[in-house]
Amino acid sequence: GESVGLHLPTLSVQEGDNSIINCAYSNSASDYFIWYKQESGKGPQFIIDIRSNMDKRQGQRVTVLLNKTVKHLSLQIAATQPGDSAVYFCAIRDDYKLSFGAGTTVTVRA
Amino acid sequence: SAVISQKPSRDICQRGTSLTIQCQVDSQVTMMFWYRQQPGQSLTLIATANQGSEATYESGFVIDKFPISRPNLTFSTLTVSNMSPEDSSIYLCSVDGTSGSGYEQYFGPGTRLTVT
Repeated sequence: GESVGLHLPTLSVQEGDNSIINCAYSNSASDYFIWYKQESGKGPQFIIDIRSNMDKRQGQRVTVLLNKTVKHLSLQIAATQPGDSAVYFCAIRDDYKLSFGAGTTVTVRA
Repeated sequence: SAVISQKPSRDICQRGTSLTIQCQVDSQVTMMFWYRQQPGQSLTLIATANQGSEATYESGFVIDKFPISRPNLTFSTLTVSNMSPEDSSIYLCSVDGTSGSGYEQYFGPGTRLTVT
């Protein structure tokens, strides 16, 4: 199956600063990438997705960047808030199956 | 969007016993998915359940250990059989929806299982 990895397991960020979470993947044929947020005691929640025909996509306070040359994906969160504290997963969708990366725990400092 | 509920939300079970986890969706869906999330780990797909057919299991998961039922388009069950402490995990069901770029998979809240 697809191999999906993250660079850092934890990230501590000051409230109001921007957060950047990184993800690397192994299969250059992958074409659909998704970021999920999982809060404690809950299931993962969709944040944003991107297809391989794009290199950037923006949502509300979030931006996903895709660099297919180096097989790297990142999630940027602007003006991080306490409610952003969670575990973030990148995932690759192949047909109907999702392969998840290891997850980055984001802690927001007041 | 889809709203998914799971029962039980958590349980503590003795080794050698079995637990059946229920997943209910508020709309009809073709495919339902079952995932396992071991403590502090990521999610791993166990199987895909289509109504009216046998579930399709991923490598490393077998029907005898994780039997799945899919009696209709809004409901599925996953049984964890002959449990051992290694089965202690969060079990999540999910369904597909649509997003701006393609598909969004909605997840239930999970069932937190502890095997003693």
